[in-house]
Amino acid sequence: SQQGEEDPQALSIQEGENATMNCSYKTSINNLQWYRQNSGRGLVHLILIRSNEREKHSGRLRVTLDTSKKSSSLLITASRAADTASYFCATSHLDSGTYKYIFGTGTRLKVLA
Amino acid sequence: DTGVSQDPRHKITKRGQNVTFRCDPISEHNRLYWYRQTLGQGPEFLTYFQNEAQLEKSRLLSDRFSAERPKGSFSTLEIQRTEQGDSAMYLCASSFGDNEQFFGPGTRLTVL
Repeated sequence: SQQGEEDPQALSIQEGENATMNCSYKTSINNLQWYRQNSGRGLVHLILIRSNEREKHSGRLRVTLDTSKKSSSLLITASRAADTASYFCATSHLDSGTYKYIFGTGTRLKVLA
Repeated sequence: DTGVSQDPRHKITKRGQNVTFRCDPISEHNRLYWYRQTLGQGPEFLTYFQNEAQLEKSRLLSDRFSAERPKGSFSTLEIQRTEQGDSAMYLCASSFGDNEQFFGPGTRLTVL
């Protein structure tokens, strides 16, 4: 089973609104990354946040990390139709000397023009 | 183009045949990863290399799957005796250390 669970599974909003997606995980992590994937396309890296960081920004994106709750959120402000995509979180954690990489199940975001 | 490239982009094969995929990472990246993704799901980790050493292999990966990175640059993923359940998108990514992973466009495998 996958460690990361995104919530909600699907989200539909109007252009200009903010979109918030959440990711929960089970083990202590080294870092957490967020990715975007347009239908049938490759994954695009958005933001990496390390376990000792609490918040990062990139343009209209804001990511928070709460290690005590083992959760992260991705906020997209002033959404655009082009933001329509699936969003995945992925965790990296060290286990028995090697890194493990686990993706979540994804949130499908639809931004209506 | 200095991004991650994968070849072929599409592969259709008959059940029981062997297939091999190639991944060329970003040149300065020392880590290379293989994932598999099926429709509507997140990518599933298969294996990763640091330079030429294969450091981790998913327990979900059967013995029919093998990956190599002989000179620490490009990598190949071979699937022997393909089954219909192997049909998926096979994704390659690279990174420098445990940092941002950059993905290639993927190879879509269809097993008839």
